[in-house]
Amino acid sequence: GENVEQHPSTLSVQEGDSAVIKCTYSDSASNYFPWYKQELGKRPQLIIDIRSNVGEKKDQRIAVTLNKTAKHFSLHITETQPEDSAVYFCAAIPKAAGNKLTFGGGTRVLVKP
Amino acid sequence: GAGVSQSPRYKVAKRGQDVALRCDPISGHVSLFWYQQALGQGPEFLTYFQNEAQLDKSGLPSDRFFAERPEGSVSTLKIQRTQQEDSAVYLCASSLGGTVPYEQYFGPGTRLTVT
Repeated sequence: GENVEQHPSTLSVQEGDSAVIKCTYSDSASNYFPWYKQELGKRPQLIIDIRSNVGEKKDQRIAVTLNKTAKHFSLHITETQPEDSAVYFCAAIPKAAGNKLTFGGGTRVLVKP
Repeated sequence: GAGVSQSPRYKVAKRGQDVALRCDPISGHVSLFWYQQALGQGPEFLTYFQNEAQLDKSGLPSDRFFAERPEGSVSTLKIQRTQQEDSAVYLCASSLGGTVPYEQYFGPGTRLTVT
């Protein structure tokens, strides 16, 4: 089955700086890669996603890049703000997996004012 | 519109008790998923429905776990004879469904504590 590794597990940045989280996946047939933000005690919220036919996608301060050859994808947050502090999870859906998500272990991001 | 809702939000059960967790998906969403999230970890897949059909239950940890979605909307996850290792947050998600992966929207979860 699919295996998703996520790094780093914790990330501390100064407000205004950029944050980058990287994930690798094992199943070359995976074709959908969402990113979720989860605040303490809250539900995971989809912040951006990318499909395997696209190399990069951007939404305001958030961007995701996908390298299918290397089987890794990354989340980039620019001009970080204190409200960006949360746990971020990457995930992947293998083509034949019936749309079930396999999640990475999460990255706890702390934005220091 | 209304998002995914779950009830109860918190459940404390004594070891050996049975529990039932409910999920109300977004109206019109064909696919429904259950995930288990242990403290400090990412959600892990339990089971998946497309309408009323349970297409994948490979993630259910034991035969004490049972899920149903009899009318293709509301779903219930039942855990029999709860054990301490069942303590976790149980998340439900729904999506439009189909062969192309669609965005999954999560409910707030049910935090189960087994004492």
